[in-house]
Amino acid sequence: AQSVAQPEDQVNVAEGNPLTVKCTYSVSGNPYLFWYVQYPNRGLQFLLKYITGDNLVKGSYGFEAEFNKSQTSFHLKKPSALVSDSALYFCAVRDIYGGSYIPTFGRGTSLIVHP
Amino acid sequence: SQTIHQWPATLVQPVGSPLSLECTVEGTSNPNLYWYRQAAGRGLQLLFYSVGIGQISSEVPQNLSASRPQDRQFILSSKKLLLSDSGFYLCAWSVERTGGYGYTFGSGTRLTVV
Repeated sequence: AQSVAQPEDQVNVAEGNPLTVKCTYSVSGNPYLFWYVQYPNRGLQFLLKYITGDNLVKGSYGFEAEFNKSQTSFHLKKPSALVSDSALYFCAVRDIYGGSYIPTFGRGTSLIVHP
Repeated sequence: SQTIHQWPATLVQPVGSPLSLECTVEGTSNPNLYWYRQAAGRGLQLLFYSVGIGQISSEVPQNLSASRPQDRQFILSSKKLLLSDSGFYLCAWSVERTGGYGYTFGSGTRLTVV
């Protein structure tokens, strides 16, 4: 089975500073990787994905992620954090269950941006 | 446009009572549909997925069941709720069979079993 790991339960950053939320993956074959964001008591919102092509993927709300095959990582980044970026972030990988493609999610990382 | 509706938003149910959560998708046909549970505001656990009407696959043995009576309707049920069924339930859909387009989530149902 494919899997992703988010090694940090929580990331704290000051507003205006760059932020990084880490994700590593374990897959057989080429990975399909995703980042989602969840605000309190809400569903997940799609941020960006990597399937193939440029290793630097740009997504919604100024976020980007860098696919690194040698380090099996797909870290989420933003040059300048906003207080409104505070939320729960999930990394996900396309997995296969019973012949169907299903996303498998990491445990999530809580991002707290301090004013 | 494509939208997903999930209701109710919150629910408080006594132990032993039945459950029915509904999810409907608009603006697309033959979507893949998913039910996830999120406990303690953290990781997502896949409960059921469906690739078509009447086709349900379960990933975790549990007190819950799912049904897909119509193409764009996905229902999560239980005959008798347990305390451990409390959590945040999320419905999601995708239209692209290879899983490359990503997934769209509903706004979730907060279930508290008392």
